Amino acid sequence: EVQLVQSGAEVKKPGESLKISCKGSGYTFTSYWIGWVRQMPGKGLEWMGIIYPGDSDTRYSPSFQGQVTISADKSLSTAYLQWSSLKASDSAMYYCGRQGAAGSWWFDPWGQGTLVTVSS
Amino acid sequence: EIVMTQSPATLSVSPGERATLSCRASQSVSSNLAWYQQKPGQAPRLLIYGASTRATGIPARFSGSGSGTEFTLSISSLQSEDFAVYYCQQYNNWPLWTFGQGTKVEIK
Repeated sequence: EVQLVQSGAEVKKPGESLKISCKGSGYTFTSYWIGWVRQMPGKGLEWMGIIYPGDSDTRYSPSFQGQVTISADKSLSTAYLQWSSLKASDSAMYYCGRQGAAGSWWFDPWGQGTLVTVSS
Repeated sequence: EIVMTQSPATLSVSPGERATLSCRASQSVSSNLAWYQQKPGQAPRLLIYGASTRATGIPARFSGSGSGTEFTLSISSLQSEDFAVYYCQQYNNWPLWTFGQGTKVEIK
């Protein structure tokens, strides 16, 4: 079974750094892109960026370019989303999703989500 | 950026009735459109890709249609488990994918 399992909820202060993870299993991790999506409280889904773990090719939505860093560790079958200096406005649920099929750009499955709360 | 506009924002439907959700793109996305279902506290779930192909395990009561700029998701006979928020996503403009703002299907 293809599965993405994300790291647990985080509570951080403004200015702190954070790295959340998304571990893939049940498939060849290096062969499928993984994307990240933000969902702010009570709001819709926003594409953040995407990474191909095979060669770490990474693309960002213009809205998130320079705000976050997406990376992957092939040896751990894990993708990451990180912030160097969190803001209160980064408080949201973050989901990772796997490319549904090679060459396609719908995403399936998704991780269970990681809730990030940034508050002083 | 391709803007995806969903309507209505909220759809009130009685169980057993048909629901029709719309998604419009600001420019043609061909058939590069997916639909997702999201229930409270859960991750999105893929329903439809390629505008009209049901994902694995999705019941036949869900169907998608359209191409270009106009798309529809239909649920033929709403079951209790179908009350959720539905999002469309265009993936024509790689890698600048965009979602619609969502349609909430609620019990009438």
